[in-house]
Amino acid sequence: NAGVMQNPRHLVRRRGQEARLRCSPMKGHSHVYWYRQLPEEGLKFMVYLQKENIIDESGMPKERFSAEFPKEGPSILRIQQVVRGDSAAYFCASSPGVAGQYFGPGTRLTVT
Amino acid sequence: ELKVEQNPLFLSMQEGKNYTIYCNYSTTSDRLYWYRQDPGKSLESLFVLLSNGAVKQEGRLMASLDTKARLSTLHITAAVHDLSATYFCAVDARTGANSKLTFGKGITLSVRP
Repeated sequence: NAGVMQNPRHLVRRRGQEARLRCSPMKGHSHVYWYRQLPEEGLKFMVYLQKENIIDESGMPKERFSAEFPKEGPSILRIQQVVRGDSAAYFCASSPGVAGQYFGPGTRLTVT
Repeated sequence: ELKVEQNPLFLSMQEGKNYTIYCNYSTTSDRLYWYRQDPGKSLESLFVLLSNGAVKQEGRLMASLDTKARLSTLHITAAVHDLSATYFCAVDARTGANSKLTFGKGITLSVRP
């Protein structure tokens, strides 16, 4: 009974490179959420997706960030041309659609 | 915009004593969650509170929800070192089927002997 899986767990990128973060939801879950956690802060909502659809991207920065959840395969959070301020922990959560979101282990992105 | 406030932000607790921490939120919601996070780790779900007056207990922790006051409390009974962690509350700003959680900044609990 695998939980939410995220990879990589740690990612180091130089400024200007691209970061791709992957999230595989729990089996049977079709709702995926991405959150960002800055040091000493709570989690901030970024985007909510269902298969092949972005439902709510109100928390996504307007530029450089994109997300997808294709029909097959994991959900991807993509950050282009990373900057130091993108360094954070990125958590994915999945839900079967009713109450409760289950969080993955997170990807810790460090931009050097 | 939904705001979630937790206080205090840091609490040093003495082993064996009882404490209460608070979570206030600014708009109507009847879905509130408590999570625990250890340093460098993910979030562990503790409680899901889905209605006014809901009370859930697990071990030394008890959570309750007052939707009229827009307040949840997490009560700790006879604190032990294993409870040292950061505790987040999160409110579901659900509109229709669209669910997203708004988190407080977290309360870091440290239990000392």
